[in-house]
Amino acid sequence: AQTVTQSQPEMSVQEAETVTLSCTYDTSESNYYLFWYKQPPSRQMILVIRQEAYKQQNATENRFSVNFQKAAKSFSLKISDSQLGDTAMYFCAFRDSNYQLIWGAGTKLIIKP
Amino acid sequence: DGGITQSPKYLFRKEGQNVTLSCEQNLNHDAMYWYRQDPGQGLRLIYYSQIVNDFQKGDIAEGYSVSREKKESFPLTVTSAQKNPTAFYLCASSIEVGRDQYFGPGTRLLVL
Repeated sequence: AQTVTQSQPEMSVQEAETVTLSCTYDTSESNYYLFWYKQPPSRQMILVIRQEAYKQQNATENRFSVNFQKAAKSFSLKISDSQLGDTAMYFCAFRDSNYQLIWGAGTKLIIKP
Repeated sequence: DGGITQSPKYLFRKEGQNVTLSCEQNLNHDAMYWYRQDPGQGLRLIYYSQIVNDFQKGDIAEGYSVSREKKESFPLTVTSAQKNPTAFYLCASSIEVGRDQYFGPGTRLLVL
């Protein structure tokens, strides 16, 4: 069975610093998608970034980028120039061949002023 | 404004009572989903629907039921058979199954 592991329950950094959130997954599939979602205190789940496994180039969305290491089954999220509004729970998710999302337990990120 | 709405924001259930959570979308999406979120855990899929009049069980469907009579609506009923219903419930939709999912604001269900 596919699993997604986020080993950092909580992290905190100063505003404007760069922070990296870790995610590892386990699968025997070769074609899949990986996602990072953000859940701020409002609890609305927001899609941050998506990576297609067949693409070698790491996805980037403004201040958010990923480091996708397919062989190591690692998918970390880097947030540059962190802002107070980045404070949230961050979830890593894997989409399997049945199109279902498998979710990690989340990392609570606190940006300190 | 296009989006997904869920109501109510908070819901209280008495023992032995069925309650229904509402989810509506005006994004013209075919697929809709219900997830349960518990503290310290990732989201778990309860039910999903690929198209009107169709729905499939997810990983934790026991004690829940759904209907999909209209494209825009996918209500979730938490039945008395669900012994531990206290959780945060999230509804999502996508253009079709396998595409990016967009989420509603959620409903918090508490047991009295």
